[in-house]
Amino acid sequence: DAGVTQSPTHLIKTRGQQVTLRCSPKSGHDTVSWYQQALGQGPQFIFQYYEEEERQRGNFPDRFSGHQFPNYSSELNVNALLLGDSALYLCASSLAKTGDDEQYFGPGTRLTVT
Amino acid sequence: GENVEQHPSTLSVQEGDSAVIKCTYSDSASNYFPWYKQELGKGPQLIIDIRSNVGEKKDQRIAVTLNKTAKHFSLHITETQPEDSAVYFCAASIWLTGGGNKLTFGTGTQLKVEL
Repeated sequence: DAGVTQSPTHLIKTRGQQVTLRCSPKSGHDTVSWYQQALGQGPQFIFQYYEEEERQRGNFPDRFSGHQFPNYSSELNVNALLLGDSALYLCASSLAKTGDDEQYFGPGTRLTVT
Repeated sequence: GENVEQHPSTLSVQEGDSAVIKCTYSDSASNYFPWYKQELGKGPQLIIDIRSNVGEKKDQRIAVTLNKTAKHFSLHITETQPEDSAVYFCAASIWLTGGGNKLTFGTGTQLKVEL
């Protein structure tokens, strides 16, 4: 049973560029959430996708956008990169039914903006 | 919004001793409280969780307690082993208007188990 997978593992970008990160959820899961984890901090919620739509969003600017595909995989896009966007980006998958709160995380993508 | 505070930020114990990490939350609507273990270079791993209708849950050497009135919950690890060394995060989950839930994390506790 495959867990949550993310690609790429590491990424180096320059300020102003755009980046796309990818996530495949755990088998059987239909909901994907994205989190940003700065060094030495806890993960912070960016947004959640369900049925190919953004269902909830955290306190992140519109430069952060996403997409969910019919197979439940997801992408996170960040435009106009800033130095402060350097972080570990985590994808978590879950199953959308009432009371089923467990979120399982992937290994993350380490983004460095120079 | 929800705010989760976690203490201590670092914890050093001798192998075989117990370790306790404490968290408080602010939003009484939060109803699910997971704990994650994060090793260097890896994503957070769910190790135990508790729901708001339960006061205590145990899984082998790990236990979690929840006090809804005081809005705090704790992780207890007994008979610690070197492989327990990692960063531990508590989180609180709230179901949101329109569906879905989000996790609000504490700032983490670096646990070091010394031989």
